[in-house]
Amino acid sequence: KQEVTQIPAALSVPEGENLVLNCSFTDSAIYNLQWFRQDPGKGLTSLLLIQSSQREQTSGRLNASLDKSSGRSTLYIAASQPGDSATYLCAVRPNTGGFKTIFGAGTRLFVKA
Amino acid sequence: EAGVAQSPRYKIIEKRQSVAFWCNPISGHATLYWYQQILGQGPKLLIQFQNNGVVDDSQLPKDRFSAERLKGVDSTLKIQPAKLEDSAVYLCASSLLRGVPSYEQYFGPGTRLTVT
Repeated sequence: KQEVTQIPAALSVPEGENLVLNCSFTDSAIYNLQWFRQDPGKGLTSLLLIQSSQREQTSGRLNASLDKSSGRSTLYIAASQPGDSATYLCAVRPNTGGFKTIFGAGTRLFVKA
Repeated sequence: EAGVAQSPRYKIIEKRQSVAFWCNPISGHATLYWYQQILGQGPKLLIQFQNNGVVDDSQLPKDRFSAERLKGVDSTLKIQPAKLEDSAVYLCASSLLRGVPSYEQYFGPGTRLTVT
């Protein structure tokens, strides 16, 4: 059974710091992995999607990597800003068993000005 | 392009009452998902449609929850009767069946349900 874990559960950093959010999953048989941002009281905004054949994706100050064999993904945020404060969720779509997407519980990030 | 639309945004009901949520996906997206997100947790898939057929409803509490997508476009999710533990945000998402990148999910703003 696929399980997705995100560490840390919460993180507080000063503005300008580079930071890494971690996501681990138990079954490497995945179709893709997607990182989302969720602001309080809002829906999810897609940040990056990595297909199983890819190693990383970049968008602006964000870089996501994927290591299927070790069951890990990282989201790197460069030069953090107060506007980056949100909850970051990773989600894994298996390539077996009905393709049901499994989410982690998220990392709550607070960037202090 | 218009995003995923959901209504209502907020709903407060008493336990044992019924409630319905509506979702209109992005135009052309064949796959539609309903998720339940309890405070402090990640979203949990309730049901997944591909066009108007159900792909996965293994985590849908079928004794009280139902969902339909009759014409393969918009969808409704119903709870009857509601319990206190149904208090959550109900998220709708959609994705292309094929295309690059396929299955990238786009979410609506969600409906926050409070059961008292």
